[in-house]
Amino acid sequence: DVVLTQTPVSLLISLGGQASISCRSSQSLVHSNGNTYLHWYLQKPGQSPQLLIYQVSNRFSGIPDRFSGSGSGTDFTLKISRVEPEDLGVYYCLQRTHNPPTFGAGTKLELK
Amino acid sequence: EVQLVESGGGLVQPGRSMKLSCAASGFTFSNYGMAWVRQAPTKGLEWVATISYDGSSTYYRDSVKGRFTISRDNAKSTLYLQMNSLRSEDTATYYCTRGDITTHWGQGVMVTVSS
Repeated sequence: DVVLTQTPVSLLISLGGQASISCRSSQSLVHSNGNTYLHWYLQKPGQSPQLLIYQVSNRFSGIPDRFSGSGSGTDFTLKISRVEPEDLGVYYCLQRTHNPPTFGAGTKLELK
Repeated sequence: EVQLVESGGGLVQPGRSMKLSCAASGFTFSNYGMAWVRQAPTKGLEWVATISYDGSSTYYRDSVKGRFTISRDNAKSTLYLQMNSLRSEDTATYYCTRGDITTHWGQGVMVTVSS
């Protein structure tokens, strides 16, 4: 199975600050069709996960431009600028290039 | 508005069976592949099973293969997960999710396997 290693495990950020989360894969996430199926989710406390970014860098509907994704191959990054209180929770990366789909272990974003 | 509503969870003894349902609305169910994802208490997310838009193709994680069956009824816009020979390690919140990009998630249903 593809292992996704997320770092850091937790982040303490001040309101208005910037956060960066890394997701590294044990193998390339480029599909044979040329697409890269690496997505990012936020699970707020007591809620279901919600899609933020799909296929590395595409913001999902309604997601503010404070969220951005980048990367290629095996290294991917989610950046959150101007952190707001509603950004708090656990962030997960998910790869759907290879079966089984696998998630990173999560990064908890907390306020400093 | 896309809605996914899971039901059928609860407390079950080890070795017994349980069937989860997910009622979908707000989109053309038969156009989308669907999946179940689970989350053990205080743990991360784990993919369980996937089914294609027409039900012709399914995929299971190794630990549930032969025990769980994912299915769908497109006429009823409903996704199912039949879980047999349940184990304590199957205890989790089970989420119904939509699509290849996993754009939408249900609110989740708790399954507790315990004697």
